[in-house]
Amino acid sequence: SAVISQKPSRDICQRGTSLTIQCQVDSQVTMMFWYRQQPGQSLTLIATANQGSEATYESGFVIDKFPISRPNLTFSTLTVSNMSPEDSSIYLCSVESGNTIYFGEGSWLTVV
Amino acid sequence: EDKVVQSPLSLVVHEGDTVTLNCSYEVTNFRSLLWYKQEKKAPTFLFMLTSSGIEKKSGRLSSILDKKELSSILNITATQTGDSAIYLCAARGSTLGRLYFGRGTQLTVWP
Repeated sequence: SAVISQKPSRDICQRGTSLTIQCQVDSQVTMMFWYRQQPGQSLTLIATANQGSEATYESGFVIDKFPISRPNLTFSTLTVSNMSPEDSSIYLCSVESGNTIYFGEGSWLTVV
Repeated sequence: EDKVVQSPLSLVVHEGDTVTLNCSYEVTNFRSLLWYKQEKKAPTFLFMLTSSGIEKKSGRLSSILDKKELSSILNITATQTGDSAIYLCAARGSTLGRLYFGRGTQLTVWP
């Protein structure tokens, strides 16, 4: 199994600012995944964070808006840049371990 | 385009009822189907199904995959108020760890 810690768990952010979310895993994993869940919606993959290379972004998500770092095999960050109210969501970090996919507790961002 | 569709989107029942949640998928190079329960923030893992026709059970919850029909069901018997949650279905394709999620079924169990 994998234990994933995410910080912050929740935050209220001003429009136009940026916030960095951290994801720490208790074991080394090859890939880490960042999802967004807007209110009332399901989870949508933002990008896949690979150690030692640039993140791979899904259609509709760009690096300038959601820069990702992956400095080692247990840690990743996602930054939500120049936030607007539409960015109010839960952001979730996910990893695959032992053929099962685990999620962090999520970071609930509200942009005002 | 890869997609996962869940039905119903919302369901209200009384304690003791049995419910069936549906999930259909169209995912390239399908490998497995996963069910999660989401109460507050993080989805918690329930089942992973890879083989057709083999039921997986955990207490009052059970699930089965039908690869011919590209679908799965999640059954909950003798529902309790603690079963109230969003149940998410997700399909995995060939990319390691990458999931395609449905919109979820919001289950509300009244006492």
